[in-house]
Amino acid sequence: NAGVTQTPKFQVLKTGQSMTLQCAQDMNHEYMSWYRQDPGMGLRLIHYSVGAGITDQGEVPNGYNVSRSTTEDFPLRLLSAAPSQTSVYFCASRQGQGAIKQFFGPGTRLTVL
Amino acid sequence: DQQVKQNSPSLSVQEGRISILNCDYTNSMFDYFLWYKKYPAEGPTFLISISSIKDKNEDGRFTVFLNKSAKHLSLHIVPSQPGDSAVYFCAASGGGSNYKLTFGKGTLLTVNP
Repeated sequence: NAGVTQTPKFQVLKTGQSMTLQCAQDMNHEYMSWYRQDPGMGLRLIHYSVGAGITDQGEVPNGYNVSRSTTEDFPLRLLSAAPSQTSVYFCASRQGQGAIKQFFGPGTRLTVL
Repeated sequence: DQQVKQNSPSLSVQEGRISILNCDYTNSMFDYFLWYKKYPAEGPTFLISISSIKDKNEDGRFTVFLNKSAKHLSLHIVPSQPGDSAVYFCAASGGGSNYKLTFGKGTLLTVNP
């Protein structure tokens, strides 16, 4: 099992550009989430999904879009990148309702100039 | 409003001694608590959890204590090892079908040889 994989590992964007951060898991987990980690801020939930076709907003959703067309994939789209979106992004998954343990990917470090 | 607080940004201990990391929460609906460990340039990894119906959970060198009346939990590492040096995040989850995790800001533990 590869677990949770994320691509790319690093990305530099210019303000206004758009891009998609990829996340995939091979554990057949129902629940997937996107977090951002900023210095001194811990991990903040951006969007999450409880199954294919079902997504919802987390704590800091503005400027991001998600979709979940398959169980395995949960891409995060930045619509028009801003310097405030410079952060490390983590994707996570867990088995489903009743499962507490969450598995994280290795992260994508994004810089917006 | 920060619902999960880790008031110590950093902690330094000697190898072989006990490390105690603290976490406070404000939401009485939280019923699961987790600790995650994070090394630089990696995703967080699950360490240990505790349900609100318990006051202690132990796994090898790691023990988590929960004091519900004080809304406080702590992670004890005994004995501490240099490989334990990492950022430790406390996280909490409420009951219900989505099991969103709310994270604290993290505590950087340094174990000195």
